[in-house]
Amino acid sequence: DAGVIQSPRHEVTEMGQEVTLRCKPISGHNSLFWYRQTMMRGLELLIYFNNNVPIDDSGMPEDRFSAKMPNASFSTLKIQPSEPRDSAVYFCASSRLAESYNEQFFGPGTRLTVL
Amino acid sequence: ILNVEQSPQSLHVQEGDSTNFTCSFPSSNFYALHWYRWETAKSPEALFVMTLNGDEKKKGRISATLNTKEGYSYLYIKGSQPEDSATYLCAFKKGGGADGLTFGKGTHLIIQP
Repeated sequence: DAGVIQSPRHEVTEMGQEVTLRCKPISGHNSLFWYRQTMMRGLELLIYFNNNVPIDDSGMPEDRFSAKMPNASFSTLKIQPSEPRDSAVYFCASSRLAESYNEQFFGPGTRLTVL
Repeated sequence: ILNVEQSPQSLHVQEGDSTNFTCSFPSSNFYALHWYRWETAKSPEALFVMTLNGDEKKKGRISATLNTKEGYSYLYIKGSQPEDSATYLCAFKKGGGADGLTFGKGTHLIIQP
């Protein structure tokens, strides 16, 4: 298996632009997690899905952030409009729901820079 | 808000020396404690999942212990090597449902040759 795939790996955009980050989980995994990593706050959970259904989005910073999972093999995290303080590395992770200990496998991350 | 604390924040260790660092987490509603190893420019990789009080897990020169009653876990590295340089994250899982993990900010370990 190729592991969790994220795209793009790097994104540089200007303030106010829409940004879409993409994630393909490991085949057979039915839980998907979006994290944001910053120096100040470390690794923060933004939202997670079980069987394509959003379960907990309490970590989403504000309404500018939205996430979707239209099917078991694809998820997006969208920021609209983007702001400089959104600059961070965004990680996607997946796990098997049936494995209750929830070992998560991380993608390589998307480094977002908002100018 | 779950409080998962790791100390120290960073650590410089001479090659060949052994070292350890700490993760503290809520002692109530405990379900599992994860350790991840995160190398620069890569993504976090799972080291251990620990669930029972008194658990001890080992992988090569790295081992971990768990005390759920007092809410802490230690990670030990014996005979540190330069390739051990990484950030070590612990993550707490509460309850028994498919909740996300709450991560500590990590201990950044640098092994000096």
